[in-house]
Amino acid sequence: AQKITQTQPGMFVQEKEAVTLDCTYDTSDPSYGLFWYKQPSSGEMIFLIYQGSYDQQNATEGRYSLNFQKARKSANLVISASQLGDSAMYFCAMREKGTYKYIFGTGTRLKVLA
Amino acid sequence: EAEVAQSPRYKITEKSQAVAFWCDPISGHATLYWYRQILGQGPELLVQFQDESVVDDSQLPKDRFSAERLKGVDSTLKIQPAELGDSAMYLCASSPPTGRDEQYFGPGTRLTVT
Repeated sequence: AQKITQTQPGMFVQEKEAVTLDCTYDTSDPSYGLFWYKQPSSGEMIFLIYQGSYDQQNATEGRYSLNFQKARKSANLVISASQLGDSAMYFCAMREKGTYKYIFGTGTRLKVLA
Repeated sequence: EAEVAQSPRYKITEKSQAVAFWCDPISGHATLYWYRQILGQGPELLVQFQDESVVDDSQLPKDRFSAERLKGVDSTLKIQPAELGDSAMYLCASSPPTGRDEQYFGPGTRLTVT
């Protein structure tokens, strides 16, 4: 069954440090996409980064990178040089190409400390 | 910069009343999604449209919820009758035709049922 697991309800990181947010997934579809979204306290969900199941290289978008380990079914988000504005909820999500199902994890609340 | 528009931003209604939410996706985005997000949880997909056709409504409580996208552009989500448990944030998102299915979200409608 399609499933996304985020085991860290909350994380703290010092400003300018790097932080890794964990995400594991389960699917029987060989073709899928993995996503990370940011939701600040204002409520609006923001797309950060995408990784396709057949992509050979890990995705990067500015300070965001996705550590994709297909055999372990993990898709961890790495934020480098954390900023105060990075404080938010972060959601991992998956889209199965065959079923069009789109599911989100329960989220990780990140707090960046000055 | 193009954005997904939603209205109203806030809605308070009494239980057993009808309520409707409107969404206008980013121009050129054929795929549109409605989500329900309960505070502290990840978004739950209610319905997905490809143009005017429903692709997935398996999680939509069809006894009280309905959704339409008659001309394949803007969309309306209706609840009738509203129940106390429907209090949540209702998010609309759209995806560009890139093949990745990344989602761009609107600001949401916060519904409170009293």
